[in-house]
Amino acid sequence: QELLQQSGPGLLKPSQTLSLTCGISGDSVSRNSAAWNWIRQSPSRGLEWLGRTYYRSRWYDDYAESVKSRITISPDTSNNQFSLHLNSVTPEDTAVYYCAREDYDGFDIWGQGTMVTVS
Amino acid sequence: DIVMTQSPDALAVSLGERATINCKSSQSLLYSSNNKNYVVWYQQKPGQPPKQLIYWASTRESGVPDRFSGSGSGTDFTLTISSLQAEDVAVYYCHQYYNTPYTFGQGTKVEIK
Repeated sequence: QELLQQSGPGLLKPSQTLSLTCGISGDSVSRNSAAWNWIRQSPSRGLEWLGRTYYRSRWYDDYAESVKSRITISPDTSNNQFSLHLNSVTPEDTAVYYCAREDYDGFDIWGQGTMVTVS
Repeated sequence: DIVMTQSPDALAVSLGERATINCKSSQSLLYSSNNKNYVVWYQQKPGQPPKQLIYWASTRESGVPDRFSGSGSGTDFTLTISSLQAEDVAVYYCHQYYNTPYTFGQGTKVEIK
């Protein structure tokens, strides 16, 4: 059964870099019909898509304009996982962060969520 | 960006009664090459990630009770719970995956009257 397991710190100070990892079980980060996404949720912004990485003969990524200058999402094929790096965080980046698999039917598998507080 | 607007923001329905949630997109979500609407409905309970209920606007995800149904095409979509059960209390979101940036509705909170 497919599973996404998130890991990473939940408390950051302003200007630090948020780094989260999403481990994949039961699937491959290199599967050429899937994409691997990060989404966050806060009371003020609701559910907000941040970006994704995916493999189609080579690696691609794309990002939300709101975070494009600060974000990197990258695969780690050796460990079958992908990561989120968001630099120069501010209190506005406080949210629950989710990783999610995108398949033909949308975001069908989600990680458990990580509450990240910037203070 | 495609804007997804849900209505109402909150809904109180008696047990066994019908609940209807609407979602309107700012542009068509119908992909002409396969005639599919790239809309998903999620259910989210407190402390949990969203759970997928419906994809392609009207296809129920495996294991989802058949009291949940989705309809609509183009820019107007509906999620219907035909007979509300206590375990259906949650926030429901529509989501478009027609193109990036992917976007979500603001959510509709469903409660028991």
